[in-house]
Amino acid sequence: DTEVTQTPKHLVMGMTNKKSLKCEQHMGHRAMYWYKQKAKKPPELMFVYSYEKLSINESVPSRFSPECPNSSLLNLHLHALQPEDSALYLCASSQDVGGAGSGELFFGEGSRLTVL
Amino acid sequence: GEDVEQSLFLSVREGDSSVINCTYTDSSSTYLYWYKQEPGAGLQLLTYIFSNMDMKQDQRLTVLLNKKDKHLSLRIADTQTGDSAIYFCAERPGSSNTGKLIFGQGTTLQVKP
Repeated sequence: DTEVTQTPKHLVMGMTNKKSLKCEQHMGHRAMYWYKQKAKKPPELMFVYSYEKLSINESVPSRFSPECPNSSLLNLHLHALQPEDSALYLCASSQDVGGAGSGELFFGEGSRLTVL
Repeated sequence: GEDVEQSLFLSVREGDSSVINCTYTDSSSTYLYWYKQEPGAGLQLLTYIFSNMDMKQDQRLTVLLNKKDKHLSLRIADTQTGDSAIYFCAERPGSSNTGKLIFGQGTTLQVKP
């Protein structure tokens, strides 16, 4: 199983709403990632979790709050977002963050977020 | 610094070969990757190559790496309309123990019937 599953696939929210994006993998990977992708642009790294601990926050605004309840799950809590936050949010996982393996990331299908 | 560059667009006829090129700046990169993204979908890992290799072949895909010139290419043989997508080149910096990959801007491949 090389699948990363993301829910929901589509989300529309107002600027005052609170919502969450969810991601799950059962490959035994110990690193999980959130990326943001605008149309026809490469994905931009937001957060990295390594062994369930936040290891990288790429200066993401606090209206985005990640959470890693266990090694298989990754959430992204959303609150007071702006219309410019509308994008495709991609979750990814890899075996780990270290240099031992080939380091490939496996991506989910993404959650398309629209902020009104 | 770390940078990856790709041409933005490539158009080919169905049945022809496609060659997508990528250059990178980090000479200590350990692995280089090719990802495919179809409209509305996530990124699909197509293949990767370790920096001490110069070629890797997997069915219709051939990856060539020129480490001296820091140039990576992806050749797709017998290109089909289903190959139409955005192709991202990515590198794993040699200094990285963060899992972070550096992505190029992506090449849109258009396959005409």
